[in-house]
Amino acid sequence: EVQVLESGGDLVQPGGSLRLSCAAPGFTFSTYSMSWVRQSPEKGLEWISVISGSDGSTYYADSVKGRFTMSRDNSKSTVYLEMRTLRVEDTAVYYCAKLKWESRGWYFDEWGRGTLVTVSS
Amino acid sequence: VMTQSPATLPVSPGDSATLSCRASQSVSSNLAWYQQKLGQAPRLLIYGASTRATGIPDRFSGSGSGTEFTLTISSLQSEDFAVYYCQQYNKWSPKPFGQGTKVEIK
Repeated sequence: EVQVLESGGDLVQPGGSLRLSCAAPGFTFSTYSMSWVRQSPEKGLEWISVISGSDGSTYYADSVKGRFTMSRDNSKSTVYLEMRTLRVEDTAVYYCAKLKWESRGWYFDEWGRGTLVTVSS
Repeated sequence: VMTQSPATLPVSPGDSATLSCRASQSVSSNLAWYQQKLGQAPRLLIYGASTRATGIPDRFSGSGSGTEFTLTISSLQSEDFAVYYCQQYNKWSPKPFGQGTKVEIK
């Protein structure tokens, strides 16, 4: 059974750092791309990062580029999101999701329950 | 840009619901639908505009291509009251989702 389990969300001050983890057992982890999507009442669902299963290439939304780093450890079936220089507007529920490629792009076929990141002084 | 309508759809249990999703430019059939219940993660319902994901009841059906898409829920059950999102995957975008349609009890 596929599982996606996020952890690491917390309350952090503006300018601070945080690392999220996402364990995803139950499938051939190394062959799938994974992503982080965040959701806030103000911005809705925002796709912020992708890491390729084939070569570990990463892609980021402009809103987080240069501040967030996504990585993966295939031996642990886990992806990470290192977040630095956090801003109030980064406050959101962060979801980890497994990606499925079809035709011209990815859709999200498995999601975790999410972890809350609150950036506030 | 993906635009969903209506924002809120009041429906009586047992009735059908029709949700719309419009793309600002053609996305071919590269469109998915998700259901999100309060406090839960989104769940994949439909991909390829009309293919149901594993385990999704056949009362959920998707149609459309290009810029106009529809999600139809026939004979609404109590567990179907939720927010529904469309997502285009024809071209990478950090904002591939619509803003959502909330299906509520009438």
